[in-house]
Amino acid sequence: AQTVTQSQPEMSVQEAETVTLSCTYDTSESNYYLFWYKQPPSRQMILVIRQEAYKQQNATENRFSVNFQKAAKSFSLKISDSQLGDTAMYFCAFMKQNQAGTALIFGKGTTLSVSS
Amino acid sequence: DTGVSQNPRHKITKRGQNVTFRCDPISEHNRLYWYRQTLGQGPEFLTYFQNEAQLEKSRLLSDRFSAERPKGSFSTLEIQRTEQGDSAMYLCASSARWGQGPSYEQYFGPGTRLTVT
Repeated sequence: AQTVTQSQPEMSVQEAETVTLSCTYDTSESNYYLFWYKQPPSRQMILVIRQEAYKQQNATENRFSVNFQKAAKSFSLKISDSQLGDTAMYFCAFMKQNQAGTALIFGKGTTLSVSS
Repeated sequence: DTGVSQNPRHKITKRGQNVTFRCDPISEHNRLYWYRQTLGQGPEFLTYFQNEAQLEKSRLLSDRFSAERPKGSFSTLEIQRTEQGDSAMYLCASSARWGQGPSYEQYFGPGTRLTVT
């Protein structure tokens, strides 16, 4: 069975600073995806960034980037130039690569607070 | 494309009552997922449909829970004889069929918050 662990329940950062959220996972699968989802207060979950396990290059989406260490089963999210709108709960998630589709397995989340 | 919608957004019910939630996926998506999220936790998978076929069910989906997607479009999740432990946010997500865009990407609805008193 796959597991996803987020060891930081809460993080806080000031505007314009950089913050890194940690995630580790456990799997015996060789083909999979990793995701970071953002859930703002009382709003729906949206995808921030994804990483295919077969790709060595770390994914980047504007101010968001990941540090994917496959051997260490680590997948951290770096948010640069933090903005107030980044305040949200962030979930790391794992998905097996499967043409028929499969469920996401989420970590418990990290609550990020960005202050001015 | 109006996104994934869920109704109702909030439901308060008394213990022992039955409740039903509805999810309307993005129109061209053939895959539909149900998750449950308790306060301060990550979503947990409940069940998954590809078209009208229910392909996977979690052990979390007890006999009191049933989900349907009769015509491969909207889905309903029913909870019979609700218990206080059923209080949670019920999330629906959909994704595209294989070969039509990023089928790995799940788009989430706003959720239905259930409170059992």
